[in-house]
Amino acid sequence: SAVISQKPSRDICQRGTSLTIQCQVDSQVTMMFWYRQQPGQSLTLIATANQGSEATYESGFVIDKFPISRPNLTFSTLTVSNMSPEDSSIYLCSVGGTGVLETEAFFGQGTRLTVV
Amino acid sequence: GENVEQHPSTLSVQEGDSAVIKCTYSDSASNYFPWYKQELGKRPQLIIDIRSNVGEKKDQRIAVTLNKTAKHFSLHITETQPEDSAVYFCAASSGGYQKVTFGTGTKLQVIP
Repeated sequence: SAVISQKPSRDICQRGTSLTIQCQVDSQVTMMFWYRQQPGQSLTLIATANQGSEATYESGFVIDKFPISRPNLTFSTLTVSNMSPEDSSIYLCSVGGTGVLETEAFFGQGTRLTVV
Repeated sequence: GENVEQHPSTLSVQEGDSAVIKCTYSDSASNYFPWYKQELGKRPQLIIDIRSNVGEKKDQRIAVTLNKTAKHFSLHITETQPEDSAVYFCAASSGGYQKVTFGTGTKLQVIP
């Protein structure tokens, strides 16, 4: 299984500002994903972070709001831009399993974001 | 894209009883079905998974069944214990390097 370090673990931010969340994996992985989990809700995929190319965004999420970087196979960042209280949520980095069958998802500990 | 529905949204059982959570999926290409347990304030953790070439899988008190024809799969927890209390998510994926789509979650409460 992959070990994922995500930081910060939590932050309180002023509306209109931006926050960059980092995700570091202890091994090279093909797939990295960013999810949002609003209070009491399920996990919603924001985008797939592709190494060496632009991220692939899900419906309802755009690059201007959630720019993503993936400079190599062990690291990715998600920025939440021009934040509003509606962005208050937990953001989770996820990677596929290592090995031939990269299927099961492993999660970072999450970043609890509160926008005031 | 894939759509995963999950029922019930909440479930209360007495300690020692069984709990069953059911999910349906829409994409016939999905072939991998993991289940996650999320305790309050913690990340989701994989507890069991099943692939489409298998109809049932057990791991101690936990079992998962899959009906590919009907596109539904279920989680069964026997002899429930208070530490089983958590939110459980089913999920589906077409495997390989594909994304995982999550169900809406079931909050399980085991009453001592």
